[in-house]
Amino acid sequence: SAVISQKPSRDICQRGTSLTIQCQVDSQVTMMFWYRQQPGQSLTLIATANQGSEATYESGFVIDKFPISRPNLTFSTLTVSNMSPEDSSIYLCSVTHGGTEAFFGQGTRLTVV
Amino acid sequence: GQQVMQIPQYQHVQEGEDFTTYCNSSTTLSNIQWYKQRPGGHPVFLIQLVKSGEVKKQKRLTFQFGEAKKNSSLHITATQTTDVGTYFCAGPWDAGGTSYGKLTFGQGTILTVHP
Repeated sequence: SAVISQKPSRDICQRGTSLTIQCQVDSQVTMMFWYRQQPGQSLTLIATANQGSEATYESGFVIDKFPISRPNLTFSTLTVSNMSPEDSSIYLCSVTHGGTEAFFGQGTRLTVV
Repeated sequence: GQQVMQIPQYQHVQEGEDFTTYCNSSTTLSNIQWYKQRPGGHPVFLIQLVKSGEVKKQKRLTFQFGEAKKNSSLHITATQTTDVGTYFCAGPWDAGGTSYGKLTFGQGTILTVHP
């Protein structure tokens, strides 16, 4: 199993500002995943963060809007840049065990006003 | 990745009634996973099914994987108020090593249990 500490747990931000979300894993993992969950919706993969290389973004998500860092095998950050109310969502980091079972951080509940 | 469809979107039941949610994939899956997300919480892994036709039980929960490995179901017998939450199915992305670890989630079924 894996324990993931994610912070902040929630934030209310002004439009046009940026928020950096941090995730710390209790073990070394090759890949970390960042998901967005809009209110009442499912989880959508934003990007995959690999240590030592640039993150891989999914369709509809770009590095300028969601820059990701992965300085080591236990830590990653996701920044939500130049925020608008449409960015109000839950952001979740995740790792998988054996490439299958996923473990999630507690989530960051972001409200942009 | 493939599309994973899940129905129903909402289900309201009286405590003690049964509940079932269904998941269908547009492609054959190597495995399917189920997660539960309590209100205000994060998704928590429940189970993984791998074999065609597989059936697994966890107390009042029964999970099935279809023979074609394209559909799955979760059935809860005699629901309790502790069962409240959103149930998601998820399948691994198809295609290649670059997809390793990625999951496609169904839309989820929000279960409400009235005492």
